[in-house]
Amino acid sequence: EAGVAQSPRYKIIEKRQSVAFWCNPISGHATLYWYQQILGQGPKLLIQFQNNGVVDDSQLPKDRFSAERLKGVDSTLKIQPAKLEDSAVYLCASSLVQGANTGELFFGEGSRLTVL
Amino acid sequence: AQSVTQLDSHVSVSEGTPVLLRCNYSSSYSPSLFWYVQHPNKGLQLLLKYTSAATLVKGINGFEAEFKKSETSFHLTKPSAHMSDAAEYFCVVSGNGGFKTIFGAGTRLFVKA
Repeated sequence: EAGVAQSPRYKIIEKRQSVAFWCNPISGHATLYWYQQILGQGPKLLIQFQNNGVVDDSQLPKDRFSAERLKGVDSTLKIQPAKLEDSAVYLCASSLVQGANTGELFFGEGSRLTVL
Repeated sequence: AQSVTQLDSHVSVSEGTPVLLRCNYSSSYSPSLFWYVQHPNKGLQLLLKYTSAATLVKGINGFEAEFKKSETSFHLTKPSAHMSDAAEYFCVVSGNGGFKTIFGAGTRLFVKA
């Protein structure tokens, strides 16, 4: 079974530029999550999708971050314009059923963003 | 409201000795609790989970954790550390329906030869 795919693995940009990350969850997984993991900290949930609908985006900085999952399968997370504090690893996860308390979250290897 | 506190940012043990990684949680609901492991430049992998069944949960690679409601704790243990256990470990609490899944700050485990 293929795992959660993310690209690119690494990205270096200058502040005020834009960047996009892509995630393809495990086939059949209805729930998709984007997490931000800053060095030395635990992952922080940015947005959670159930199929193509948003379940929770309360911690997404909506002035600069956006995410979509148009067909309920793969997803894109965009940052525009980037700030220095956006330097982090962006993790995508998926689960078969809604919520981590009813199913395991499967994580991709992450996309490491460096903003100069 | 939910929160999770990992009491040690770093733990260092010798190979073959026991491992204890401490986690305390706070939850308004009956929580589900998880431990994930993250090896360098790798994705997060589930070690074990507690979902209101047996309070002693066994996971992969010889790890286990005990849910203690009276102490609001979910400490991770292993009888004998192996070099391959060196990694970052995250305690996670999740509320009803999986909303507001909260990660702890992580504990980095070092294993000395």
